[in-house]
Amino acid sequence: DAGVIQSPRHEVTEMGQEVTLRCKPISGHNSLFWYRQTMMRGLELLIYFNNNVPIDDSGMPEDRFSAKMPNASFSTLKIQPSEPRDSAVYFCASSRQVNQPQHFGDGTRLSIL
Amino acid sequence: EDQVTQSPEALRLQEGESSSLNCSYTVSGLRGLFWYRQDPGKGPEFLFTLYSAGEEKEKERLKATLTKKESFLHITAPKPEDSATYLCAVQQPGGYQKVTFGTGTKLQVIP
Repeated sequence: DAGVIQSPRHEVTEMGQEVTLRCKPISGHNSLFWYRQTMMRGLELLIYFNNNVPIDDSGMPEDRFSAKMPNASFSTLKIQPSEPRDSAVYFCASSRQVNQPQHFGDGTRLSIL
Repeated sequence: EDQVTQSPEALRLQEGESSSLNCSYTVSGLRGLFWYRQDPGKGPEFLFTLYSAGEEKEKERLKATLTKKESFLHITAPKPEDSATYLCAVQQPGGYQKVTFGTGTKLQVIP
């Protein structure tokens, strides 16, 4: 089975630019998660979708961050405008159902200059 | 606030030197505890799920155990390829699948 696919793997852009991260979850998984990982704070949940519906976005740091899941096989995380403190590795994960482990993509390493 | 604490932060072992990693939690009513392995430049890779105190799971040189307040990941006779960061995560009860991750233990196994 193909795993969770994220793109791009690396993104370097200037402060103020719009950034869009993309995720394709594992087929048949009904839950999707966006995380941010930094050395200081570890893995932080940003937003969680179940059956394409956002359930909990309390981890989204500011209004500059938004996420969508238009269908079961695609999600985006957008940052507009981007700031240097947004630099981190962003992971997408999916799981089949409650009590099942989450499976992660290999992340997008984002650098905002 | 629910917390997950992993110790030690970093561990350096000689090849073949067995040891244990600790994950303690303060979640009320644990629904599940997960162990993951993360290699540099990669996403966390699922290892084990534990659901109740007394449960144990094994995979090659790794064994995970669970009590009411903590979990241990025992590494027996480690090899250099076991070097990675090991993360634990806890899931609270209810329909929501949110898990809280610890900050991990970075393991280095020296030949």
